Amino acid sequence: EPEVTQTPSHQVTQMGQEVILRCVPISNHLYFYWYRQILGQKVEFLVSFYNNEISEKSEIFDDQFSVERPDGSNFTLKIRSTKLEDSAMYFCASSNPGLAGTGELFFGEGSRLTVL
Amino acid sequence: AQSVTQLDSHVSVSEGTPVLLRCNYSSSYSPSLFWYVQHPNKGLQLLLKYTSAATLVKGINGFEAEFKKSETSFHLTKPSAHMSDAAEYFCVVSRSNFGNEKLTFGTGTRLTIIP
Repeated sequence: EPEVTQTPSHQVTQMGQEVILRCVPISNHLYFYWYRQILGQKVEFLVSFYNNEISEKSEIFDDQFSVERPDGSNFTLKIRSTKLEDSAMYFCASSNPGLAGTGELFFGEGSRLTVL
Repeated sequence: AQSVTQLDSHVSVSEGTPVLLRCNYSSSYSPSLFWYVQHPNKGLQLLLKYTSAATLVKGINGFEAEFKKSETSFHLTKPSAHMSDAAEYFCVVSRSNFGNEKLTFGTGTRLTIIP
């Protein structure tokens, strides 16, 4: 069964360092998303991406964050200069337009980011 | 704006007994509601969905949920708990815009199964 894969599963970084989280969405999906969950808090929407551009972003997704699909298979989230409060589990997801309105996103297992 | 409230952060039941995980929603229009499950060290998996068809929705692994508009509720139930049901459960409301699905999650309910 096709699945969304994320790397790394866990990354520890120093405050101020750049981090790139990688995701391989399901191959025939066209919408891609990043969500995050700070420990003990809700899963929150960060950004959605379609046709090589951002469709929607939350107010969390400020200038420190960027996304790109560099090669047609990977979907990356970059945090330019990490802060302590960026420590969270980051989930990548993808969806198929044929499932529009179903809310059915396919999620990866998450990348845990720890900022020291 | 839309939101969901999960009324219990932690539920413990004995194996073989019924499960009830409670969720209330708030939405200015007819909502699409979902339950997602997260097993330890796994990703988020869709358990079931309500999208304005039948109010009683059946999902995977014997779970079901009933949409009650008068009570603004979408509680998740299962007649008989199994050890493999131990996981975190999220009630979710979705806003769909031409294929762009934006999910708003509840705070989650951790289900523990007592042998």
